[in-house]
Amino acid sequence: EAGVTQSPTHLIKTRGQQATLRCSPISGHTSVYWYQQALGLGLQFLLWYDEGEERNRGNFPPRFSGRQFPNYSSELNVNALELEDSALYLCASSRPGTDYGYTFGSGTRLTVV
Amino acid sequence: DAKTTQPNSMESNEEEPVHLPCNHSTISGTDYIHWYRQLPSQGPEYVIHGLTSNVNNRMASLAIAEDRKSSTLILHRATLRDAAVYYCILHYGGSQGNLIFGKGTKLSVKP
Repeated sequence: EAGVTQSPTHLIKTRGQQATLRCSPISGHTSVYWYQQALGLGLQFLLWYDEGEERNRGNFPPRFSGRQFPNYSSELNVNALELEDSALYLCASSRPGTDYGYTFGSGTRLTVV
Repeated sequence: DAKTTQPNSMESNEEEPVHLPCNHSTISGTDYIHWYRQLPSQGPEYVIHGLTSNVNNRMASLAIAEDRKSSTLILHRATLRDAAVYYCILHYGGSQGNLIFGKGTKLSVKP
């Protein structure tokens, strides 16, 4: 079974630009979650998508947005990049129901210069 | 989501058992107890989860107190590869939803 895949692995952008990160969940998983982990810090919840809808949002500004496609893959967009957006962005997926674990991808390392 | 309390760090010797504690005194009846671990420069990895009964899988065992206000993750024989940050998370069982990560316990394994 293929795991959660994220692309690209690394991304370097200039302050003020936009970044697009992509996530493909495990087959059969309908929910996708995005997290930000700045260097040396904890995982901060960003967004949760389920069945194409945004279900919950963490304490991040509106320039962090995303969407989920009919095949359940997802993309995270970060507009007007700031230096402090440099972080590891992690995607996780889960199957319908509540008695299951979550599977994480290896992340996209975004560097803003 | 209810909060959990874990020690900041623990040390273990290789090939010895490790007991990682977690307190969750405000747990509700529908909260699942999840454990994840994160190795350096990697995404978190699911370890185990349970509701009321003790659980075993190929990675670890989860011992849940009878009143469910605490739990312990047991690694039966620690290896160097088990050195990671371990997160104990309560997840509401009434619906899907995002996990809320705390600071976790950083486990060091000495050869």
